[in-house]
Amino acid sequence: SQTIHQWPATLVQPVGSPLSLECTVEGTSNPNLYWYRQAAGRGLQLLFYSVGIGQISSEVPQNLSASRPQDRQFILSSKKLLLSDSGFYLCAWGSDNSPLHFGNGTRLTVT
Amino acid sequence: QQQVKQSPQSLIVQKGGISIINCAYENTAFDYFPWYQQFPGKGPALLIAIRPDVSEKKEGRFTISFNKSAKQFSLHIMDSQPGDSATYFCAATTSYGKLTFGQGTILTVHP
Repeated sequence: SQTIHQWPATLVQPVGSPLSLECTVEGTSNPNLYWYRQAAGRGLQLLFYSVGIGQISSEVPQNLSASRPQDRQFILSSKKLLLSDSGFYLCAWGSDNSPLHFGNGTRLTVT
Repeated sequence: QQQVKQSPQSLIVQKGGISIINCAYENTAFDYFPWYQQFPGKGPALLIAIRPDVSEKKEGRFTISFNKSAKQFSLHIMDSQPGDSATYFCAATTSYGKLTFGQGTILTVHP
């Protein structure tokens, strides 16, 4: 069966520090991968998605970037965090034959 | 045209009652309509989904009703339980592609 792992679960970072969140998927090949952000009490905002290695589409211009160095690895990064980057970050995977499945998220607090 | 509008934003139901959450969409190309359930601190989990070739799908206490002509679909939770208290998101997509989410409904079931 397929599983998705996200880490860390929680993270507290100062303003101006870098960020790296990692997501990996097991049990499937060539998945579509997604990064979402969820602000407190609000909906799900799609940040990036990828249909293959090295292929990244950005949905919202912002202080973040994404990379997909391997087929089942998706990384969310920032060079300098802003206060407004605080939120709940969710990685998800899907495919032509499967609906979206989410990881358990990373709670990021920028102080 | 890509929006999915969800209502109500919050819902309070007594134990044993029926919870009803409604969604409306514009894009007639959407062909897959999932509902996700999210508990605090966790990622959304796929609850139930429907395709437009059927008008209703039932899984246990959860039922999706779909009205293609009105471009509306709804989630009914029968015999609501305190354990159903969560945030519910409707969504829509084309061929398991990028999901367009509603804004979410916070359901509280009082014992």
